[in-house]
Amino acid sequence: GAVVSQHPSRVICKSGTSVKIECRSLDFQATTMFWYRQFPKQSLMLMATSNEGSKATYEQGVEKDKFLINHASLTLSTLTVTSAHPEDSSFYICSASKGDSNTEAFFGQGTRLTVV
Amino acid sequence: GQSLEQPSEVTAVEGAIVQINCTYQTSGFYGLSWYQQHDGGAPTFLSYNALDGLEETGRFSSFLSRSDSYGYLLLQELQMKDSASYFCAVRGGGSQGNLIFGKGTKLSVKP
Repeated sequence: GAVVSQHPSRVICKSGTSVKIECRSLDFQATTMFWYRQFPKQSLMLMATSNEGSKATYEQGVEKDKFLINHASLTLSTLTVTSAHPEDSSFYICSASKGDSNTEAFFGQGTRLTVV
Repeated sequence: GQSLEQPSEVTAVEGAIVQINCTYQTSGFYGLSWYQQHDGGAPTFLSYNALDGLEETGRFSSFLSRSDSYGYLLLQELQMKDSASYFCAVRGGGSQGNLIFGKGTKLSVKP
């Protein structure tokens, strides 16, 4: 299988600050990565599709100015939660698929964000 | 759009067999996947069906009927460690697109 590394795994921040989450594909190149958010006891909801070298595509209802996505290389996508509020507290997970397979998505370990 | 339906909770005892059903509606179909997620962890891939029939991987099997837009995950010889949430998923936006997940089925395995 392939490895996707996400960092940090946990972060606590104060309201109004920004938090950056990194997602790296360690042993393959990912032209596309996906960012999901998961609230407790709920399913994973797609926030945005991160495309290397171009702007991210955001799902309806997701504020692009609040959740900044940068995919500057084929192995790294970052999600920055700007001006975080307590309601942004959630589990954020990235995933990537290898270009030669549509059968399996590889997920990062997830980031538990708590905004106080 | 795409949507998936699966039961919210299932309880079973160790050693038993449990089946988790999933029905889906999708505008383009690129296979049905199953993922396992333990509390606080990331989803891990279990199986994928592109064609009708049964796929077996150890204690886990997955079935697909495209004509019925239906699939299931079968877990045999249940163990306590199988207690987790199980999600069925389909691809959105093409074969390399994002995954659309069902709401998840929380499986509790009792001694």
